[in-house]
Amino acid sequence: EVQLLESGGGWVQPGGSLRLSCAASAYTFSTYAMGWVRQAPGKGLEWVSSISGSGGATFYANSVKGRFTMSRDNSKNTLYLEMNSLRDEDTALYYCARIGLTSANFDYWGQGTLVTVSS
Amino acid sequence: DIQMTQSPSTLSASVGDRVTITCRASQSISALLAWYQQKPGKAPKLLIYKASSLESGVPSRFSGSGSGTEFTLTISSLQPDDFATYYCQHYNSYSRTFGQGTKVEIK
Repeated sequence: EVQLLESGGGWVQPGGSLRLSCAASAYTFSTYAMGWVRQAPGKGLEWVSSISGSGGATFYANSVKGRFTMSRDNSKNTLYLEMNSLRDEDTALYYCARIGLTSANFDYWGQGTLVTVSS
Repeated sequence: DIQMTQSPSTLSASVGDRVTITCRASQSISALLAWYQQKPGKAPKLLIYKASSLESGVPSRFSGSGSGTEFTLTISSLQPDDFATYYCQHYNSYSRTFGQGTKVEIK
């Protein structure tokens, strides 16, 4: 069964950096686009970024553009989110999710990794 | 940027009720709309894509309709497993925008 396992979350001070990883298994990773979605405590869902299957195209929400970088290593079946210049409002549970070939939407999700930005 | 607005924010209903949630886009988005269900402490689950296409494995009591700027998610007969928060989401090739969510509570 398709599995997505996020890691790398933790506590960081404002202005700091963090790198999230998402390890995928049980499917051909390079075939699928992927995305990151976050959810602040008690709040709704917010799309963060997406990347094509090859990694050649990346897209970002305006709220993270210029601060976050999404990438992937298809040889390692792993997705990354490099987060710089972190702000209090970046505090959230970060999910990685697969974009389905037929649905073009997030059909499989990880369980999330918590990022806390606080002084 | 396209804004997605759901109504109501909270809905109280009983098992067996027919439930309808509305999602409005700030401009026409054709049929590029998906619906997700999220239960507390769990990742979201895709229910509907392209406004009305049912994701594989999703019960047929869920249905979606609409195009342009107004969309609905309907649960034909609410089941105990359906009490959750529902999100609409616009998508295109370069961005995605979620609605604020609708919580379906037990009446």
